[in-house]
Amino acid sequence: DTEVTQTPKHLVMGMTNKKSLKCEQHMGHRAMYWYKQKAKKPPELMFVYSYEKLSINESVPSRFSPECPNSSLLNLHLHALQPEDSALYLCASSQHGTGENTIYFGEGSWLTVV
Amino acid sequence: AQSVTQLGSHVSVSEGALVLLRCNYSSSVPPYLFWYVQYPNQGLQLLLKYTSAATLVKGINGFEAEFKKSETSFHLTKPSAHMSDAAEYFCAVSDRNYGQNFVFGPGTRLSVLP
Repeated sequence: DTEVTQTPKHLVMGMTNKKSLKCEQHMGHRAMYWYKQKAKKPPELMFVYSYEKLSINESVPSRFSPECPNSSLLNLHLHALQPEDSALYLCASSQHGTGENTIYFGEGSWLTVV
Repeated sequence: AQSVTQLGSHVSVSEGALVLLRCNYSSSVPPYLFWYVQYPNQGLQLLLKYTSAATLVKGINGFEAEFKKSETSFHLTKPSAHMSDAAEYFCAVSDRNYGQNFVFGPGTRLSVLP
């Protein structure tokens, strides 16, 4: 089972709302990632959790707040977003770090900020 | 810092024709190399990866790629394009020395004409 599951698939939120994106994997992977992807662009790394600890934060604004409750779950809490934050948010996981390990991606959550 | 370039943001081929998508990396030490495919409105799926075993790597859906150190390249090929191959293709590199350094190229959109 090589699957990363993301919910919701689509989310529309106002700039004053608080919402969360959720991600789950049951492959026993110990590294989990959040990426942001704009149209016609490659994914951009936002956060990396390694063994449930935040190991990389790519200077992401504080209106994005990641959380890793356990080794299978990854959340991205959203608050006071801007319209330019509208994008596809991809969750991913790998066995450990990257190196030669394959990164497995979910289908993504489409976020629209109005 | 390593980087990856993909020549041609958009490639069009006729159905049944050869597919060639180009990827070049810049790194003093040959990195691990990956090709991912992204179908419309979906996440990314691994096609194949090079981890320093055989230089010719076979992947899913009839794709293969050849690692050429002298050319710092890892071009993706498929002998005969199918309509279902129309998608965005991303080359990516992962540093052998730093576990979290994974970089995507800008992507190439493949169109397959009937």
